[in-house]
Amino acid sequence: DMKVTQMPRYLIKRMGENVLLECGQDMSHETMYWYRQDPGLGLQLIYISYDVDSNSEGDIPKGYRVSRKKREHFSLILDSAKTNQTSVYFCASSLNWGTYEQYFGPGTRLTVL
Amino acid sequence: GEKVEQHESTLSVREGDSAVINCTYTDTASSYFPWYKQEAGKSLHFVIDIRSNVDRKQSQRLIVLLDKKAKRFSLHITATQPEDSAIYFCAASMSNNRIFFGDGTQLVVKP
Repeated sequence: DMKVTQMPRYLIKRMGENVLLECGQDMSHETMYWYRQDPGLGLQLIYISYDVDSNSEGDIPKGYRVSRKKREHFSLILDSAKTNQTSVYFCASSLNWGTYEQYFGPGTRLTVL
Repeated sequence: GEKVEQHESTLSVREGDSAVINCTYTDTASSYFPWYKQEAGKSLHFVIDIRSNVDRKQSQRLIVLLDKKAKRFSLHITATQPEDSAIYFCAASMSNNRIFFGDGTQLVVKP
């Protein structure tokens, strides 16, 4: 069963705290993505990972970093979280990049107080 | 880079009617156009796509049309049902490049 998982599903943090969002996939997909979704703004791409240790910035990378040490895991890190990083974060994976279907995780709702 | 615009932010139809969601893109090099559906409180999932070598594709009640000259594509949902209510995202991609999403269209199917 093809699946993308995200942990945690809900998270509340205080401004200045560090945040770690985890994503996993069981499809051996090469490419993984981190998006954030805010009301009325659609999906904004934060980072793309083309494979282990091969990551590229998306449209809004400032304030975020990523780590991909295994093909099936992709982490999003917020060092010193800010209130404007309150959002819903989606991880996705695809067999390859571009013209392949993306499989999305269930999302993580992050609130930064 | 590519910019994808969805013309309708919200669309309301009666159950059984057809719904049409229109999108435009800017880069003539785009060749892959997927559509994703997001039900309330849930994640996105793929529903249908079309590639630039065809101008029409159908999957059950979903029809996608592509007009490369006008850089326009659309999703037609026929015989709408309440479970079609969701946010629909169109997207565009060039070969071996990232996917660019539109901002979404909220479709409401009224009984």
